[in-house]
Amino acid sequence: NAGVMQNPRHLVRRRGQEARLRCSPMKGHSHVYWYRQLPEEGLKFMVYLQKENIIDESGMPKERFSAEFPKEGPSILRIQQVVRGDSAAYFCASSQGEEQPQHFGDGTRLSIL
Amino acid sequence: DAKTTQPNSMESNEEEPVHLPCNHSTISGTDYIHWYRQLPSQGPEYVIHGLTSNVNNRMASLAIAEDRKSSTLILHRATLRDAAVYYCILRRAGSYQLTFGKGTKLSVIP
Repeated sequence: NAGVMQNPRHLVRRRGQEARLRCSPMKGHSHVYWYRQLPEEGLKFMVYLQKENIIDESGMPKERFSAEFPKEGPSILRIQQVVRGDSAAYFCASSQGEEQPQHFGDGTRLSIL
Repeated sequence: DAKTTQPNSMESNEEEPVHLPCNHSTISGTDYIHWYRQLPSQGPEYVIHGLTSNVNNRMASLAIAEDRKSSTLILHRATLRDAAVYYCILRRAGSYQLTFGKGTKLSVIP
């Protein structure tokens, strides 16, 4: 049973570049959540998606960040024109249903030079 | 949102039981108590959750106080692999957001 798969595990970008983070949920899971963990802090909710729909993006910064979960393929978290403050670990989780436990991937560690 | 309070850190000897406390004095009747743990360089791992009754699974037990203002995660025999940060999280029925605090960093001594 494959768990939640995130790639890449580590991503280095220069300021102004774009970062694309991918997440494949567990088999049978159609609910995907993205969280961000800044150094020395707890995880913070960013966005909740179901197939082809954004359900709640209240935790996403209003600019430069977007997320999608297409009918086919992984969920993508996209950060345009990255800045140093975007350096963090980004975690994806998936669940079978909205109230079921969330299962997390091992994250993508984004470093901005 | 109701808040949880956990000790910053705890230590345990290997192969001994560990009791990790969590206070949540402002819990509401529809808040579930969830526990996750995060090993170094990994994502959080679901451990257990409950509402009112004590719960057991293959990983741990969850003991919930009768007034629900506190709970305890019990690891029956700590192993080195259990060294992690443990998060106690309240999740309202119908809510999907998990709010992670600082958690308790558990160290296991061989």
